[in-house]
Amino acid sequence: DTEVTQTPKHLVMGMTNKKSLKCEQHMGHRAMYWYKQKAKKPPELMFVYSYEKLSINESVPSRFSPECPNSSLLNLHLHALQPEDSALYLCASSQSYGGNTEAFFGQGTRLTVV
Amino acid sequence: GDSVTQMEGPVTLSEEAFLTINCTYTATGYPSLFWYVQYPGEGLQLLLKATKADDKGSNKGFEATYRKETTSFHLEKGSVQVSDSAVYFCALRNTNAGKSTFGDGTTLTVKP
Repeated sequence: DTEVTQTPKHLVMGMTNKKSLKCEQHMGHRAMYWYKQKAKKPPELMFVYSYEKLSINESVPSRFSPECPNSSLLNLHLHALQPEDSALYLCASSQSYGGNTEAFFGQGTRLTVV
Repeated sequence: GDSVTQMEGPVTLSEEAFLTINCTYTATGYPSLFWYVQYPGEGLQLLLKATKADDKGSNKGFEATYRKETTSFHLEKGSVQVSDSAVYFCALRNTNAGKSTFGDGTTLTVKP
């Protein structure tokens, strides 16, 4: 199983809503990532978890709150978002934080903030 | 810091044409190099990889060779199909960096 599963696939939320994005992998990977991708652009790293601990936060606004409940799951909690936060949110995982092996990506959640 | 530069797109080809997408990188040490493909409305899929100099990665008719002397990892395919239309990202990952570095992406459109 080389899949990273993200839910939901699409999400529309108002600026006062609270919602969560979910990500799951069963490859035994110990590093998990959240990326934000705007149209026609490369993914931008938001957060990295290594062994369920936050290792990198790329100065992401606090309206995005990551959580790693266990080694297979990664959540991204959203609150008071702005229309400019509309984007494709990608989850990824890799064997480890420090290695140079590939990252496996999920299909993404297409988020629209209205 | 590490960086990846891809040839600017978009690239439009006719079916069965030869494809080259250039990728060069700047990095310390010995990074691994990757090509990812993104079809419309989807996430990134790993297309191929190379982990050391002179390695050739290949998959689905695509190939790329890790050239340390020219710091390049150009993507090639001998005969493209309409189904190859997608965005292609070159990326590198350095040991202890904790993250991948991506190029800007190249949009390929193949016409029948």
